[in-house]
Amino acid sequence: DTGVSQDPRHKITKRGQNVTFRCDPISEHNRLYWYRQTLGQGPEFLTYFQNEAQLEKSRLLSDRFSAERPKGSFSTLEIQRTEQGDSAMYLCASSLAGRAYNEQFFGPGTRLTVL
Amino acid sequence: DQQVKQNSPSLSVQEGRISILNCDYTNSMFDYFLWYKKYPAEGPTFLISISSIKDKNEDGRFTVFLNKSAKHLSLHIVPSQPGDSAVYFCAARVMGGAQKLVFGQGTRLTINP
Repeated sequence: DTGVSQDPRHKITKRGQNVTFRCDPISEHNRLYWYRQTLGQGPEFLTYFQNEAQLEKSRLLSDRFSAERPKGSFSTLEIQRTEQGDSAMYLCASSLAGRAYNEQFFGPGTRLTVL
Repeated sequence: DQQVKQNSPSLSVQEGRISILNCDYTNSMFDYFLWYKKYPAEGPTFLISISSIKDKNEDGRFTVFLNKSAKHLSLHIVPSQPGDSAVYFCAARVMGGAQKLVFGQGTRLTINP
């Protein structure tokens, strides 16, 4: 399977704990996005990488959130001191820059539940 | 502020009939509009897109119409099939920079046999 993969698929944690999610994009894609989807809403943009550089962050991304993309390959999203409001589906997407239209391909998501 | 809105949370259509899903937007800084389809426990899957300079794009059973003056787009599926039952998200791509997507809230389409 050469699509976008995310790990873990589900994570249950207690409030105050730290969690880390991983995203493996499609191998030749240089753009990587993180989105968050809460119940009854569409995905909302969190942050964007072009290769290893994090070029844009949403106001939704508080100081407790940090994302990295070392070597421009996989990416991690860490949430420190989780809160119940962090419960959501975290989606990763990748695309290839340099084309007139660059479709974003989404992974299956990581569902986070904070108790 | 919700820049992309899907005002119908759900839609039920008879198999073989036309499904019409609607979407409104408020920002003119979008260069593409897209429809994604989402099954439970999967990520959104791209369905069809339209450039902001076009007014129609067709791909098989799926056609997207864009009315720029009304800031409205719609997705037509004809004929509707049971496998089309899913949540459909309208999305708009922000021009330049990250080219991030702004999504609507989604419409759950159910195709009845």
